[in-house]
Amino acid sequence: RKEVEQDPGPFNVPEGATVAFNCTYSNSASQSFFWYRQDCRKEPKLLMSVYSSGNEDGRFTAQLNRASQYISLLIRDSKLSDSATYLCVVRGGKLIFGQGTELSVKP
Amino acid sequence: SAVISQKPSRDICQRGTSLTIQCQVDSQVTMMFWYRQQPGQSLTLIATANQGSEATYESGFVIDKFPISRPNLTFSTLTVSNMSPEDSSIYLCSVDSGGTEAFFGQGTRLTVV
Repeated sequence: RKEVEQDPGPFNVPEGATVAFNCTYSNSASQSFFWYRQDCRKEPKLLMSVYSSGNEDGRFTAQLNRASQYISLLIRDSKLSDSATYLCVVRGGKLIFGQGTELSVKP
Repeated sequence: SAVISQKPSRDICQRGTSLTIQCQVDSQVTMMFWYRQQPGQSLTLIATANQGSEATYESGFVIDKFPISRPNLTFSTLTVSNMSPEDSSIYLCSVDSGGTEAFFGQGTRLTVV
């Protein structure tokens, strides 16, 4: 079992759609959780941290369920510029990256 | 935040040769990290580079293949030695911001022919 597993993707959605990404992690001792965004041929960049209480940043909402070892990212009113690969990242000492879920938003 | 300058951005190399990748950070950091991202896959940690001591390698990665230097708190190099086509990948250096956000260099896209 992979340490961090994400929806396989790709997700192809129209502009304005709501899309949800799921992620599970295997190490119950993991300490912190993140969603990173990676554009094609670019380095990953932090999108948002994920907290047990849930957190929202504009159109993006991230949630963490420690009991289920599950992380989610919801994107509302998706834009063309949201097209990228979204990486679920878990820290338990070192950073462990999920394989990424590709999102393509079409006009 | 941290700004990382990584070079070269890309290279095409002959098998059996070696390539050294450099990363320069705009601030002093205790640890620097080197990752590999193979085509269509996510990032895998190669090693952690500490200033003043040998790098710590992850399972599956060895010093003879990926020697690392860390001469000071702002600079590190990763060498990919005796390259084969299987080493074709993107290599990224990274630093942490107090254990929260990780910052990455722009990546080195390596093709071995």
